[in-house]
Amino acid sequence: QITLKEFGPTLVKPTQTLTLTCTFSGFSLSTSGVGVGWIRQPPGKALEWLALIYWDDDKRYSSSLKRRLTITRDNSKNQVVLTMTNMDPVDTATYYCAHSWFGKQGNWFDPWGHGTLVTVSS
Amino acid sequence: DIQMTQSPSSLSASVGDRVTITCRASQTISNSLNWYQQRPGKAPKLLIYVASSLQTGVPSRFSGSGSGTDFTLTISSLQPEDFATYYCQQSYTSPYTFGQGTKLEIK
Repeated sequence: QITLKEFGPTLVKPTQTLTLTCTFSGFSLSTSGVGVGWIRQPPGKALEWLALIYWDDDKRYSSSLKRRLTITRDNSKNQVVLTMTNMDPVDTATYYCAHSWFGKQGNWFDPWGHGTLVTVSS
Repeated sequence: DIQMTQSPSSLSASVGDRVTITCRASQTISNSLNWYQQRPGKAPKLLIYVASSLQTGVPSRFSGSGSGTDFTLTISSLQPEDFATYYCQQSYTSPYTFGQGTKLEIK
């Protein structure tokens, strides 16, 4: 059974750097075809794709947030870490991590973690 | 970036109704299109991947179709637990963008 859980601060101040950790079980990020992604959702708004790290350590980022995001992995700890610099109140959102499977015709997120709400406020 | 546009943004329907939600991509994405369901306060759940493949455990009343730029999610007979928000997502090229969502409400 695949499970993921997000860990990180619930409150950050403007201009600070956010560090979120996704701890997972039930799969290995070294397995071909596997990835872990981050998605966020501001309160009452739509899902926004942020970043994805592949089994071969290839990394992809949101175009609009690319300069602020870094995704890394620690295979020994079964963790993926997302950092976002220069946080602003508009970054207030629930942040999800999710397992991604890459098939011949695309990739998809399944399952997702429960999400963690991060509020940006002074 | 590929833009994904869903219609309608919201929809009222009754239990037993047949409902169709549309997703349009700003450029061709072959069949690299996924659908997710999100109930209030919960994480999204995968329903359909590569346009028409039903995820294991998802009821057969859900179906997906389309290719190129136009896609549909159909619920053949609405059940009470289906009232939720639905999102499409393209996985053709990074960044793998989501649609803005369609909120399905009880009439």
